[in-house]
Amino acid sequence: DAKTTQPTSMDCAEGRAANLPCNHSTISGNEYVYWYRQIHSQGPQYIIHGLKNNETNEMASLIITEDRKSSTLILPHATLRDTAVYYCIVYNYGQNFVFGPGTRLSVLP
Amino acid sequence: NAGVTQTPKFQVLKTGQSMTLQCAQDMNHEYMSWYRQDPGMGLRLIHYSVGAGITDQGEVPNGYNVSRSTTEDFPLRLLSAAPSQTSVYFCASSSPTGSDEQYFGPGTRLTVT
Repeated sequence: DAKTTQPTSMDCAEGRAANLPCNHSTISGNEYVYWYRQIHSQGPQYIIHGLKNNETNEMASLIITEDRKSSTLILPHATLRDTAVYYCIVYNYGQNFVFGPGTRLSVLP
Repeated sequence: NAGVTQTPKFQVLKTGQSMTLQCAQDMNHEYMSWYRQDPGMGLRLIHYSVGAGITDQGEVPNGYNVSRSTTEDFPLRLLSAAPSQTSVYFCASSSPTGSDEQYFGPGTRLTVT
């Protein structure tokens, strides 16, 4: 079973920041938080991952709470092409990625 | 680099037929895996491999076989197709450092009638 819980769906206005929450209250100290997205029926695409500290790359920012029990993926200026299903995954070396149902983000014009 | 490639893109089988879904990667990744995705669902792990000659079962292995004779290739065999195996199949690869992302192929859409 997935170790994370996410809202089923969210809407965001084009050009605004999209903030996608994820709860992972049972995360252990050496487990990473990964985010992937799946656009339409394509293969999932890696977005970002982190352990403790906040992370930023060209696609998004990842904010992890100090107790590591939850995180937020931020798309700073959402576009229509960001409409996708977003998966939050807790992962450690030696385990396998477990994909839950994710959050369906709809970016609205 | 081509990344992760999968063939065929689409396939229709009759119940009881067998076939092999092909997956190849040119990134010299040790770890490869197969997932299936049913409509409206997340991905479920079928089989995975941590290197040539080593395979293991994932969450839903029944009805599927795999082998890993080379680093590059990881074929998935359906032994006797059933309508319950109608799904989209994704292959993925990554390097085994513990923090590297998985790269996914474009998927094979399989229908079993």
